[in-house]
Amino acid sequence: AQTVTQSQPEMSVQEAETVTLSCTYDTSENNYYLFWYKQPPSRQMILVIRQEAYKQQNATENRFSVNFQKAAKSFSLKISDSQLGDTAMYFCAFMKLNAGNMLTFGGGTRLMVKP
Amino acid sequence: DTAVSQTPKYLVTQMGNDKSIKCEQNLGHDTMYWYKQDSKKFLKIMFSYNNKELIINETVPNRFSPKSPDKAHLNLHINSLELGDSAVYFCASSHSARDTQYFGPGTRLTVL
Repeated sequence: AQTVTQSQPEMSVQEAETVTLSCTYDTSENNYYLFWYKQPPSRQMILVIRQEAYKQQNATENRFSVNFQKAAKSFSLKISDSQLGDTAMYFCAFMKLNAGNMLTFGGGTRLMVKP
Repeated sequence: DTAVSQTPKYLVTQMGNDKSIKCEQNLGHDTMYWYKQDSKKFLKIMFSYNNKELIINETVPNRFSPKSPDKAHLNLHINSLELGDSAVYFCASSHSARDTQYFGPGTRLTVL
């Protein structure tokens, strides 16, 4: 079974600065996808970024980028130029392919962006 | 237009009652899911349906029964509600086995 660990329960960052959220996972699979989802106080789960394990290039999406280290089974999220609207819970998730597409989530990191 | 919608958004009920949560997606996806988020924010898969057929049932009590009348709908029926069923339930959908899952707004269920 896969496990996903987010070692930082809470983090804070000043507006306009950069913050990195950590995620590690454990799997024996070689093909899988990794995701970061954001859950603001509204409760909605919003996709932030996705990484396919077979791709060596790190995914980027505007101010969001990942550092994917497959050998180390690490998948951190970097948020640049943090904005107040980035305040939310952030969940790292693992998806094993051809297994019903179920997402295995980490415990989440609560990020607060301070003005 | 809402891509994945759930009704109701809030549900408060007594222990022992039977309730249903509805989910609809208008994205043309063929796979739908139910996840449970507990009071500590931990999210866990409950069910996965592909083309109206159950493909995952993750050790969920028999009191929980998903029903998919068509590819666009996946409803969750819960019988004999217990205090421990209090949680936020999320529906999600994806286009295929390798596609990103898109979530509904969640239903907060409170069992008194």
